Amino acid sequence: AQRVTQPEKLLSVFKGAPVELKCNYSYSGSPELFWYVQYSRQRLQLLLRHISRESIKGFTADLNKGETSFHLKKPFAQEEDSAMYYCALSPGVWQGGKLIFGQGTELSVKP
Amino acid sequence: EPEVTQTPSHQVTQMGQEVILRCVPISNHLYFYWYRQILGQKVEFLVSFYNNEISEKSEIFDDQFSVERPDGSNFTLKIRSTKLEDSAMYFCASKGRGASPLHFGNGTRLTVT
Repeated sequence: AQRVTQPEKLLSVFKGAPVELKCNYSYSGSPELFWYVQYSRQRLQLLLRHISRESIKGFTADLNKGETSFHLKKPFAQEEDSAMYYCALSPGVWQGGKLIFGQGTELSVKP
Repeated sequence: EPEVTQTPSHQVTQMGQEVILRCVPISNHLYFYWYRQILGQKVEFLVSFYNNEISEKSEIFDDQFSVERPDGSNFTLKIRSTKLEDSAMYFCASKGRGASPLHFGNGTRLTVT
């Protein structure tokens, strides 16, 4: 079965602390993994994708096929990082098929 | 930057009524989608649409649902006879060619009473 699991509904940290938002997936093939972010009252937007191997707003994520994980990390959280974060999976290389989302983790960064 | 636009932002309807949710995708995009999110649950794929036909649909997308691209700009989701469990946030999305990312609209909150 294709599944994305984000075990934490809410993650609360202080400004300047490291952040790790966990994402595990279940898929038998070679998926493509994404992180989407939704700031308050805004639309879902792509934060990063594993094939790009880039850092966006200080966030990085590494695909670990052995552990089937794609955790999102940032060394020093900022208040403006407070948002809902969704991990998503594309079965196979993303060319326009469906995305399978996790339940989302709300990140709250306190001053 | 161009955006996907959804109207209305909130729709309230009575059980059994038909409802049409409207979306204007980004103008040069070729692939169109509907997702939904029931309160407190995951964002779920409903349907994808390409070249004027459904390319993929989920189990949720049963005979009560239909999609249409009636002209060159709008993309609609129709629910023929709404049920209480159809209450959710419905997101439209579109993408361009190849591996370009999905662009989501702000969503329409559908409340069925």
